[in-house]
Amino acid sequence: KAGVTQTPRYLIKTRGQQVTLSCSPISGHRSVSWYQQTPGQGLQFLFEYFSETQRNKGNFPGRFSGRQFSNSRSEMNVSTLELGDSALYLCASSLEYRGGLTGNTIYFGEGSWLTVV
Amino acid sequence: AQKVTQAQTEISVVEKEDVTLDCVYETRDTTYYLFWYKQPPSGELVFLIRRNSFDEQNEISGRYSWNFQKSTSSFNFTITASQVVDSAVYFCALSEAGGTGNQFYFGTGTSLTVIP
Repeated sequence: KAGVTQTPRYLIKTRGQQVTLSCSPISGHRSVSWYQQTPGQGLQFLFEYFSETQRNKGNFPGRFSGRQFSNSRSEMNVSTLELGDSALYLCASSLEYRGGLTGNTIYFGEGSWLTVV
Repeated sequence: AQKVTQAQTEISVVEKEDVTLDCVYETRDTTYYLFWYKQPPSGELVFLIRRNSFDEQNEISGRYSWNFQKSTSSFNFTITASQVVDSAVYFCALSEAGGTGNQFYFGTGTSLTVIP
């Protein structure tokens, strides 16, 4: 079974530009979450999508947005890039949105390394 | 407040030694889930183990074992007979049943180096 696939793996952008990152979840998984990882802040939750709707959002400015398509694939967009947006962006997928008493395990992709210069 | 604390920033061990990674969590939920992930240099977080709050039985899976102590809010992870391939950053994570969706709270990670 293929894992979570993220593209592109590496990219360099200039301040003020925008970037779109793509994520294909594990087949059958319907929930997609995004995380930002930086040396200073660690792993921080960005948002989660399920059934093409954003269900939950972390504490990030409105420049960070995302969407999910009917096939569960997801994209995230960062507009007006700042130097501080340089990070590893990780996508994770899980079977369902709410796991009830059994909870859900999330599975990560290899991430997209974004450098803003 | 930090929901997950990993006090050990870096650990170095010699190959074949046992190593324990510490994790302390904080939650008001009565039902929650704890996880350990491994992050090699490639970047992907690899799921290792998971424990539900209502199941306090500690288990062993191959060279991995974990010690879940609700009384001290700790969820420690042990690698037995460490190998060079175990070198990575290890993250402890918490998910709350009363939370929204699948939001996970991660610790700051422990960088493990296994010296051959």
